[in-house]
Amino acid sequence: DSGVTQTPKHLITATGQRVTLRCSPRSGDLSVYWYQQSLDQGLQFLIQYYNGEERAKGNILERFSAQQFPDLHSELNLSSLELGDSALYFCASSGGSSGSIGELFFGEGSRLTVL
Amino acid sequence: AQSVTQPDIHITVSEGASLELRCNYSYGATPYLFWYVQSPGQGLQLLLKYFSGDTLVQGIKGFEAEFKRSQSSFNLRKPSVHWSDAAEYFCAVAPYSGGGADGLTFGKGTHLIIQP
Repeated sequence: DSGVTQTPKHLITATGQRVTLRCSPRSGDLSVYWYQQSLDQGLQFLIQYYNGEERAKGNILERFSAQQFPDLHSELNLSSLELGDSALYFCASSGGSSGSIGELFFGEGSRLTVL
Repeated sequence: AQSVTQPDIHITVSEGASLELRCNYSYGATPYLFWYVQSPGQGLQLLLKYFSGDTLVQGIKGFEAEFKRSQSSFNLRKPSVHWSDAAEYFCAVAPYSGGGADGLTFGKGTHLIIQP
């Protein structure tokens, strides 16, 4: 158990809809990362938050947005969903801004299926 | 921008045999390198990391990796694999941007199959 909790584990929705994925980081971790894993693209970094502030942005579409709340949990919002958005979305957390570079703790993922 | 290449999409190894998974990276400065493992239905778990110093690093579950700057490689090895090692293995590189930690760049992964 990594200590990172993601909900929901599975989600099926239709094209054009909007969904929200939720992540609770490990206790005490300030950084939250979102990744998308698909068969064709592999594991893609989407966005990172550190203590409520956006820290880095990767291959995140404009239809997607995220935020980190004061209690450090994070949400990833996916809107105007397309078939190609079907993927496994991972949240990961880490302890600090530089002392634990790359040492991420991953949740079990949220599997999104867009029909 | 940094990139990671894992040349082998699938590797099949007999139980008890040795294992080497290849990883090549492209990064302008000294990289931070990692190997992660993803078991079926699970998230990724850190196996080992290289920041600096000794180029041979030990990880969990009996894995080790060797950093070779001249070859831009960070290959993962295990002397004797167990059936429970069947999983997806990801090599990753982390940049460092002035006091912040950015997201890892992962390779495409190598799927390890263990034959009895």
